Amino acid sequence: GNSVTQMEGPVTLSEEAFLTINCTYTATGYPSLFWYVQYPGEGLQLLLKATKADDKGSNKGFEATYRKETTSFHLEKGSVQVSDSAVYFCALTARNTNAGKSTFGDGTTLTVKP
Amino acid sequence: EAQVTQNPRYLITVTGKKLTVTCSQNMNHEYMSWYRQDPGLGLRQIYYSMNVEVTDKGDVPEGYKVSRKEKRNFPLILESPSPNQTSLYFCASSRGEGGDEQFFGPGTRLTVL
Repeated sequence: GNSVTQMEGPVTLSEEAFLTINCTYTATGYPSLFWYVQYPGEGLQLLLKATKADDKGSNKGFEATYRKETTSFHLEKGSVQVSDSAVYFCALTARNTNAGKSTFGDGTTLTVKP
Repeated sequence: EAQVTQNPRYLITVTGKKLTVTCSQNMNHEYMSWYRQDPGLGLRQIYYSMNVEVTDKGDVPEGYKVSRKEKRNFPLILESPSPNQTSLYFCASSRGEGGDEQFFGPGTRLTVL
C-alpha cells in the first residue's frame, strides 16, 4: 500500500531560522502531494500542494517540490516566525489505483521561539 | 461560509453504546472522508466516499460504519464502541479529483470508557 514518511519531530527553531521538514513517499501511480498545517485545537488546513512531477507548491513563504525521482516532497521556509508554530502533515492522495485513498505522515511539531 | 461541520465536538460514552458522529458540508463536494488522529500515528483514513451511495474502506475501517445517502452528509457510526476507539476524529471533503485539497471539519474528541 501507499505510505508517507516524515522526519521525526519535534523541531524547535529560533525566529528567522531556515526550516526543512523532510517527506518521502511510496505509492503506485502518480499521486497528488500535499502539506497540511494544524494549529492547536483546530482541524487541518491546506498549506500547499503539487499534482505532478517537478511541480512546486508555495504559500505563505513555504515551498515544496514534487520530486518523482527521489519520491520526496520536502517542506522549506527561508525564515520562520513564531506564528508558524504548528503541526505539519505531509500527505498523498491516490489518483488512479484506489483513487481517493489518502495517506498522511505522522506529523511534525514545529515550535518557533522568539 | 464554506465549511465542514461535525457534531458532537466532544463525546464521552461507555463501551458498547452505539453512537453516530455527524458530518455535513455545504460546498457540494463529491468526496468525503473520515480520519482518526492518534498521538504518534498521524491521521489514518477510516472510510471515504467518492459520491452518493459509493463508499470504500480506508486503512482502519474495523469497528466503524458509514453511509452516504445524500451528497452533503457522511455520518460515522460506531455500532459497539470500544476503548481503543478513543481518538480525535476528523471529517473532510473535497471536489473529488485527486489533485484537490481536502477541507477539514473542526474534529470530534471521543472518549470510550
